[in-house]
Amino acid sequence: EVQLVESGGGLVQPGGSLRLSCAASGFTFSSYWMSWVRQAPGKGLEWVANIKQDGSEKYYVDSVKGRLTISRDNAKNSLHLQMSSLRAEDTAVYYCARGRIGDYWGQGTLVTVSS
Amino acid sequence: QSVLTQPPSVSAAPGQKVTISCSGSSSNIGNNYVSWYQQLPGTAPKLLIYDNNKRPSGIPDRFSGSKSGTSATLGITGLQTGDEADYYCGTWDSSLGAVVFGGGTKLTVL
Repeated sequence: EVQLVESGGGLVQPGGSLRLSCAASGFTFSSYWMSWVRQAPGKGLEWVANIKQDGSEKYYVDSVKGRLTISRDNAKNSLHLQMSSLRAEDTAVYYCARGRIGDYWGQGTLVTVSS
Repeated sequence: QSVLTQPPSVSAAPGQKVTISCSGSSSNIGNNYVSWYQQLPGTAPKLLIYDNNKRPSGIPDRFSGSKSGTSATLGITGLQTGDEADYYCGTWDSSLGAVVFGGGTKLTVL
């Protein structure tokens, strides 16, 4: 059974940093692109970033370029999102999703940026 | 403002059929595959349709997808109260170099 479990969310002050993780199981992690998608409270889905199987290609939505960094550790079946210079508008539930289209999604982890 | 345009809401009676539209441009829907997602209240999104019209295993054939030009459509037949959810379309945008989603459509089964 495919499972994606996010962790690392929480309350952080504007300008602060946070590192999200996603533990993957039930499939060959190293064979899939992986993505992060977020959803602000009461809003729609917003794609954040994705990363190729070997980490050689990474793509980001313009609003997070230079502040958020996606990475992966295929040996540990884990996906990460390093978040820095956080802003109030980064407040959202962050979902980890398998593939570029998201055929499986985790349950999400809430990031709240507030003073 | 979302790159892909969906109606904010649609409604229909149980047992009826409903369609949800998703309008884009040549840089996204016109030249890339479209996916559709269902998000039940308080849960994570779930893939319903990929590659315009394919259903993942376990998705009933009541759900269908189609694409024509720069627009895509999700169809749901035999509506059930359990289908009440938000539905999103998504695709790659070649000009933006990013995945884009529609703003979402809230389905109410009256």
